[in-house]
Parts: sequence; C-alpha cells; structure tokens
Amino acid sequence: EPEVTQTPSHQVTQMGQEVILRCVPISNHLYFYWYRQILGQKVEFLVSFYNNEISEKSEIFDDQFSVERPDGSNFTLKIRSTKLEDSAMYFCASSVGQGLTNQPQHFGDGTRLSIL
Amino acid sequence: AQTVTQSQPEMSVQEAETVTLSCTYDTSESNYYLFWYKQPPSRQMILVIRQEAYKQQNATENRFSVNFQKAAKSFSLKISDSQLGDTAMYFCAFMKPPEGRDDKIIFGKGTRLHILP
Repeated sequence: EPEVTQTPSHQVTQMGQEVILRCVPISNHLYFYWYRQILGQKVEFLVSFYNNEISEKSEIFDDQFSVERPDGSNFTLKIRSTKLEDSAMYFCASSVGQGLTNQPQHFGDGTRLSIL
Repeated sequence: AQTVTQSQPEMSVQEAETVTLSCTYDTSESNYYLFWYKQPPSRQMILVIRQEAYKQQNATENRFSVNFQKAAKSFSLKISDSQLGDTAMYFCAFMKPPEGRDDKIIFGKGTRLHILP
C-alpha cells in the first residue's frame, strides 16, 4: 500500500538555524498538510496546501514557516529561524480529495525536530 | 471552535479482553466526520475507523467498533479480542465538512493503550 514518507526521522538543529522537513506524499494525492505534536500535547494543524498554494493555515503558522512543492513529488516545510518551542513531532499528510470520508488523510511517520 | 477531549491518558488491558476508549467533542455543526487514528510505536498514524455524523448506524471495522452518541457528543472506540499489535497511541479526531478550504483535522490528546500478554 502506498505510504507518505518523511525525512529525516529525527532532526537536531541549533536555535536560530533554518530547517527543512521533507515529505513525499502518495503519488496521486492532491491535498497536502502539515501537523505538529509537541511532546505530551495534542496533534495540531499547521497548514494545508492545494494547487501550489496554501489553502488554510493556523495561527501557529507564522512568518517563520513556509511550505513548498518544489518538484511535483516533494512537499517541504521550512522553518526559517528555529526557536526552542518549535521542538515537536511534525507530521505530513496527504489526501486524494478534500474532506471526503472515503478518501481520508494519510499520515507519514513524522519527523522529530529537536531544537538545542 | 471545535474541541476533542480524550479523558484517558493511558490504559492497560490483558490480551483478548475488550477495551473501550472514550472521546467527547464539542461543535455547533450538525454534520461532521469523526475518526479514530492509531499510532503504533513504529509511529505512522493509521486510520482505524470513521463515522459520518448524519449516519445513525455505528461504524464497525472487524474488531473495532464505535459507539456514536450524537446528542451527547460522544464517540467511543471499542476494541474486541484485543491483540498485542493493538498496543499504540489512539487519537480521536474531528473534521467538519469542508467549506471552501477548511478541511483540517482536529485531534484529541490521545490515549496510550497497552495490551498485556
């Protein structure tokens, strides 16, 4: 069964540095998402992306964050100048259609981001 | 705003027993979708079961079933004949029908389930 793949599995970065988290969505999927989970807290929506533009973003997704689909297969999340509070597990998800229960969002394994 | 609450941070049951995970939610929407996702130690989040609010019949998927009480805004997950492979974090989640671009999933904090041999 096709999967959403995320790399790296664990990223350690110094505070203030830029970090790029990478995701390869399932190939025929059109909608892409990033979520994050701070340790011990709930999974939170960050951003959704469709047709090469952001569809919706949460208040967490400030100017330090950006997303891109640079080559038709990868979907990246960039944090420009990382802060300690950006330490979290970041999940990428994709779906064929928007919000259809027969076409749910499929999640990757996540990237654990640790900011030192 | 919608919220999802899972009141059981952690549970343990013996293999082959039945276990029920609780979830309540709050919304003013009349139609919406509810999900249970499973995140085993291997980390990938897997959709276990889903329910559409306009359907009165409770969803079932093999050993997994839900008890959907719309008036009480309750959506519990029952796992029958539990297996060691059911050990995982379970997330209850909510999504309202997309209006324009809003199709985000709202998650609860999760319940860590341990199946004991």
